[in-house]
Amino acid sequence: GAVVSQHPSRVICKSGTSVKIECRSLDFQATTMFWYRQFPKQSLMLMATSNEGSKATYEQGVEKDKFLINHASLTLSTLTVTSAHPEDSSFYICSASKGYPRSDYEQYFGPGTRLTVT
Amino acid sequence: AQKITQTQPGMFVQEKEAVTLDCTYDTSDPSYGLFWYKQPSSGEMIFLIYQGSYDQQNATEGRYSLNFQKARKSANLVISASQLGDSAMYFCAMRDRNTGKLIFGQGTTLQVKP
Repeated sequence: GAVVSQHPSRVICKSGTSVKIECRSLDFQATTMFWYRQFPKQSLMLMATSNEGSKATYEQGVEKDKFLINHASLTLSTLTVTSAHPEDSSFYICSASKGYPRSDYEQYFGPGTRLTVT
Repeated sequence: AQKITQTQPGMFVQEKEAVTLDCTYDTSDPSYGLFWYKQPSSGEMIFLIYQGSYDQQNATEGRYSLNFQKARKSANLVISASQLGDSAMYFCAMRDRNTGKLIFGQGTTLQVKP
């Protein structure tokens, strides 16, 4: 159990367009989902935390108008990169937690989405 | 503020030998959780092992063990009998008790030589 999927796994888009990435918990209800960004050979940087039914909490320095996060249901969160530019090219990973933010709930990671903006 | 430090950008180990990946952390919270993840070239994050701050014994999971030294604030990962498939990037992470956020270290790239 505790499987998280992401779609698409890879996406190429043109500069100025928007792209949506989906994160789904397949066999459990995820009250909290996290979105990370990872540049090549670097660590994961948390972008935002989303709780089902409420607005996402963004980390300092992350543009909330550029990276729109929606957590509409207990199994789905979406990240939309609006007006994408080449510098937005990165590996985006989501994770899902079964419980509300507490120390004893593990995060389950999706396989990631590689975004390339041309 | 919480912080995780991995000082080894890259490590080499001979197949079948053991290797230790270093991780130190800093937190003022007496209750915390420490994780190790493996990230192969495919990009997926694979959970390896977890250590709670109040756990009396060091965590073990198959070939993985965590050398938890609370006073030194270190949580080193030991991989025994290395295999070629262990070649990957390894991340140490700490979970914030209040928010559930994971704070990651810089990562260590491990290469297992045949």
